[in-house]
Amino acid sequence: SQQGEEDPQALSIQEGENATMNCSYKTSINNLQWYRQNSGRGLVHLILIRSNEREKHSGRLRVTLDTSKKSSSLLITASRAADTASYFCATDWGAQKLVFGQGTRLTINP
Amino acid sequence: SAVISQKPSRDICQRGTSLTIQCQVDSQVTMMFWYRQQPGQSLTLIATANQGSEATYESGFVIDKFPISRPNLTFSTLTVSNMSPEDSSIYLCSAQPRDRGYEQYFGPGTRLTVT
Repeated sequence: SQQGEEDPQALSIQEGENATMNCSYKTSINNLQWYRQNSGRGLVHLILIRSNEREKHSGRLRVTLDTSKKSSSLLITASRAADTASYFCATDWGAQKLVFGQGTRLTINP
Repeated sequence: SAVISQKPSRDICQRGTSLTIQCQVDSQVTMMFWYRQQPGQSLTLIATANQGSEATYESGFVIDKFPISRPNLTFSTLTVSNMSPEDSSIYLCSAQPRDRGYEQYFGPGTRLTVT
């Protein structure tokens, strides 16, 4: 299946520290996206990186993409309690539908 | 961006009954999708809701179990038919606005419990 894997499955850090999550996928992609899901709610789009891009920033978020390794990472700097959520990567290969990874559950401790 | 609402937000249903979930978008969108998220799991795409034609179902999902309607560019429904406890999940709809490429905007989800 196309579905990606994320690691770690769960991550717990202190407020103010940086959080890094990784996503690997299996086939060639068109774009890779990251989404956040607060407990029991819908997903919020965070950032999209195209297959010809290597790095992208948005506020405290930094995403990298290595197509040779079929992997991406999401870095959240200076974490806050409000960043506590599940984070999912999602890939598409030009078919418009998305395939989601298993997700990383991030907990920020005050 | 697009704002998406879903109704109901949650429901508890008896085995063997059916539930229809509504998804409303505040602007016209090209693509709408329905996902299932089982407890503690990732999202699995059920189908793409096509305006004016039959939905396109993913492997493992069939129209008889999950009939979908999309009568216009802002509205879709998903019915979960002949429910069993295994259908207990969060059901999410999403929309892909024309000007946002492959980004999807999600509704808040419908939490379904089947007893």
